[in-house]
Amino acid sequence: GAGVSQSPSNKVTEKGKDVELRCDPISGHTALYWYRQSLGQGLEFLIYFQGNSAPDKSGLPSDRFSAERTGGSVSTLTIQRTQQEDSAVYLCASSLAWDTGELFFGEGSRLTVL
Amino acid sequence: TQLLEQSPQFLSIQEGENLTVYCNSSSVFSSLQWYRQEPGEGPVLLVTVVTGGEVKKLKRLTFQFGDARKDSSLHITAAQPGDTGLYLCAGEGAYNQGGKLIFGQGTELSVKP
Repeated sequence: GAGVSQSPSNKVTEKGKDVELRCDPISGHTALYWYRQSLGQGLEFLIYFQGNSAPDKSGLPSDRFSAERTGGSVSTLTIQRTQQEDSAVYLCASSLAWDTGELFFGEGSRLTVL
Repeated sequence: TQLLEQSPQFLSIQEGENLTVYCNSSSVFSSLQWYRQEPGEGPVLLVTVVTGGEVKKLKRLTFQFGDARKDSSLHITAAQPGDTGLYLCAGEGAYNQGGKLIFGQGTELSVKP
């Protein structure tokens, strides 16, 4: 498809396990963002990548969270030693460039930590 | 820290009624966006306002950016059940931080037929 693709769409895990969430941005978009959305709430910025520049990690809530973007395209968000408070929908978005403004979002990965 | 306060958080109205959603901050934003999100989907951009005092119309939706670029409003005329969803405002910092948008908490709108 032509949109932002995220996988898995749903993930249930046990407390303490590691999880990986994947994002495939729109082709040609150089900027990629991760946001977190708790139930019925607004979006919390986590991290963004722009081209080959160092990522802005200022929104990552703890050192258990990390993300990488390989080849300027696909990104993986990793959460180590998951906690119940990590339960949320993790949304990925891409844009043409960091200053373009309009973000195109995927459908999100819903993470439930038991 | 820049914050955006959205109100009301929840709104349940009958089809045909008008409504206004507010997005307020004590900080200045270089631009402000409004998104709509349906269950199980990501937010979709409705409009971007850039200039203080700017008014944009999208069919029955009217968006306004405050003169000081600290607040915005979304007005829906004659709401329809298809307008049901989560409405989010998002501000781009005055120093142009690109996609690092600051989102409000959202307004959950339910329009009953």
